[in-house]
Amino acid sequence: QQQVKQSPQSLIVQKGGISIINCAYENTAFDYFPWYQQFPGKGPALLIAIRPDVSEKKEGRFTISFNKSAKQFSLHIMDSQPGDSATYFCAASMIGNFNKFYFGSGTKLNVKP
Amino acid sequence: ETGVTQSPTHLIKTRGQQVTLRCSSQSGHNTVSWYQQALGQGPQFIFQYYREEENGRGNFPPRFSGLQFPNYSSELNVNALELDDSALYLCASSLVSGGLYNEQFFGPGTRLTVL
Repeated sequence: QQQVKQSPQSLIVQKGGISIINCAYENTAFDYFPWYQQFPGKGPALLIAIRPDVSEKKEGRFTISFNKSAKQFSLHIMDSQPGDSATYFCAASMIGNFNKFYFGSGTKLNVKP
Repeated sequence: ETGVTQSPTHLIKTRGQQVTLRCSSQSGHNTVSWYQQALGQGPQFIFQYYREEENGRGNFPPRFSGLQFPNYSSELNVNALELDDSALYLCASSLVSGGLYNEQFFGPGTRLTVL
């Protein structure tokens, strides 16, 4: 059973546009929701994360929106740049369970100049 | 401060063989997690080591085993390799102190190909 479902699988956005990636989870015990960015040949790198006690978190051009009742969260990339082209993964974990993360299947973002 | 390093970068093995992958955790970190990332998929949790003991395991068979050493580096061993074991193996380290979580940092991974 896939604990975290991510969509879309791939996304093409024009430079300056908004990229939106969505995730849904099942386990209500999850209490930490990070987004990771992965470039080819590299390991995932933490981009931004949110706890369920807030509905939105913004860091620069990156925003997480969190809907606890719907068990959904999304990543918005404002003013998307070609350098943002990468694969993005959402994940979920229970802090008390240390680092046992459940990852989504990934979204390959291509920002066209 | 050095980041998480993994060796080797690439590895080719044949079905039935055994393999050992290595990970050096980031300085000051005491916890190492291993993940398997199949092509086009998200990482899947294999297991985690904290203070040299396994502390949580994902849905992987016993032929996947590991070790953590006193310097917090770690090994992942896979016996009786199968074709489906072909994947990128990621190591992530973090500091766990007083039950509090800190960000985990991933290494670049080891690409294992099983023929």
